[in-house]
Amino acid sequence: ETGVTQTPRHLVMGMTNKKSLKCEQHLGHNAMYWYKQSAKKPLELMFVYSLEERVENNSVPSRFSPECPNSSHLFLHLHTLQPEDSALYLCASSQGTVPEKLFFGSGTQLSVL
Amino acid sequence: AQKVTQAQTEISVVEKEDVTLDCVYETRDTTYYLFWYKQPPSGELVFLIRRNSFDEQNEISGRYSWNFQKSTSSFNFTITASQVVDSAVYFCALKRNYGQNFVFGPGTRLSVLP
Repeated sequence: ETGVTQTPRHLVMGMTNKKSLKCEQHLGHNAMYWYKQSAKKPLELMFVYSLEERVENNSVPSRFSPECPNSSHLFLHLHTLQPEDSALYLCASSQGTVPEKLFFGSGTQLSVL
Repeated sequence: AQKVTQAQTEISVVEKEDVTLDCVYETRDTTYYLFWYKQPPSGELVFLIRRNSFDEQNEISGRYSWNFQKSTSSFNFTITASQVVDSAVYFCALKRNYGQNFVFGPGTRLSVLP
């Protein structure tokens, strides 16, 4: 247990569906991240929230919409995804403005049909 | 630009063999941090080590050791007497001294066979 919980673990959705990924951290951290892990590609940073404000957005398509209602919760809202969006989506958290390390959840394996 | 290269895509060894995972990084910063993470089949990345750019002393933790060489921009990871439980994907990562962007390498999949 890393203290970062992601739900669901697996998700299959059609291209016209709307779904949300949820992440919760129990570590008292002040920053949360979404990473995308595709087959044979490095982890790609999608979004960073620090003190509930979005501080990084790495040119992610608008069909991905993050939400951080408080420092413990992070959502990734999905809408009209493409098959190439199928990947493992990892949530992480950290503490401090210059974080020493990331704590990761187990990820949501997303398949877009 | 920050970049991390892990040239070994997959490695297979037999239990009890030693194995070294290579990591080469690129950065123009003088202050930065290097990391290794392990991703077992369960999916979550587990932190192994963090090194700052001013500390080139090699580190040993049990069967794990790390060799940081600034001259070659490398931060290699050696597992001594490997075990089946070491089977995982290992990621090297680089972070600047500011901001919150960790740049990860593509990972090396290690399979330790009994």
